[in-house]
Amino acid sequence: NAGVTQTPKFQVLKTGQSMTLQCAQDMNHEYMSWYRQDPGMGLRLIHYSVGAGITDQGEVPNGYNVSRSTTEDFPLRLLSAAPSQTSVYFCASRVGLRTYNSPLHFGNGTRLTVT
Amino acid sequence: DAKTTQPNSMESNEEEPVHLPCNHSTISGTDYIHWYRQLPSQGPEYVIHGLTSNVNNRMASLAIAEDRKSSTLILHRATLRDAAVYYCIFLNAGGTSYGKLTFGQGTILTVHP
Repeated sequence: NAGVTQTPKFQVLKTGQSMTLQCAQDMNHEYMSWYRQDPGMGLRLIHYSVGAGITDQGEVPNGYNVSRSTTEDFPLRLLSAAPSQTSVYFCASRVGLRTYNSPLHFGNGTRLTVT
Repeated sequence: DAKTTQPNSMESNEEEPVHLPCNHSTISGTDYIHWYRQLPSQGPEYVIHGLTSNVNNRMASLAIAEDRKSSTLILHRATLRDAAVYYCIFLNAGGTSYGKLTFGQGTILTVHP
C-alpha cells in the first residue's frame, strides 16, 4: 500500500496562474480532505469529501475548488493563484465520515510558492 | 466548534517520560480525542485516540480525565525521533462539524540527548 500520495512535492506559480494539486489514496477510503499549513497557524481544513460525487467546504475554502469523480482521487484546484495561497498543502483520508475509531492518513505535502 | 488548548512548547531529556497535556473544556460527549504528531518536513502522523477510557498502544498512552475536560499523551521513554509537533484534536461525531478534525496550534516537543 502506498497510502496517500501527493504530487507534486514542490511548485512555484506566478500570480494568476492555475494549477491542480493531485491526491490519490489506495486504501478505499470514503473520506478525503485537504488542509493547508501556514507558520504559526496549525492545519486548516480547506475542503473535504465523504464519497465520490460529494464534496463540502471546510474552514478556508475561498480560492480553491475540488471534485471527487472516483474514490481514489481528490484533486485540489487553484484557478487563479494569489500570494496568500503560498503554503504547504496536505491531503488526508480516513475510512469514512462516521468511522470515529479510524485515524486520518496524511500525504507528505505539496509546498506551493506563489510569486 | 470545540477547541483544544496545549502548551506551545515542552522539553524533555532522552529516555525520560514525557507528559503532554491538552485542555478541552468544551468537549461534548460524542467527541473523540485524537493525537497526531508531525515531524519536520512530513505530514502529520496518527499517534492514538480515545473517548472515555485510557488507551495504550505501541507508540504512547492516552490518559483521559474523568470529566473529559483534559487529557494527557504519555511517551514512556522519549527518544530523539520523538521530537515533533504534537496535536491534540477532536473528531466531532455530531453537530455541524460532523466527522471533521479541527487542528489547533500543537505543542513543539524538544528532546535533549
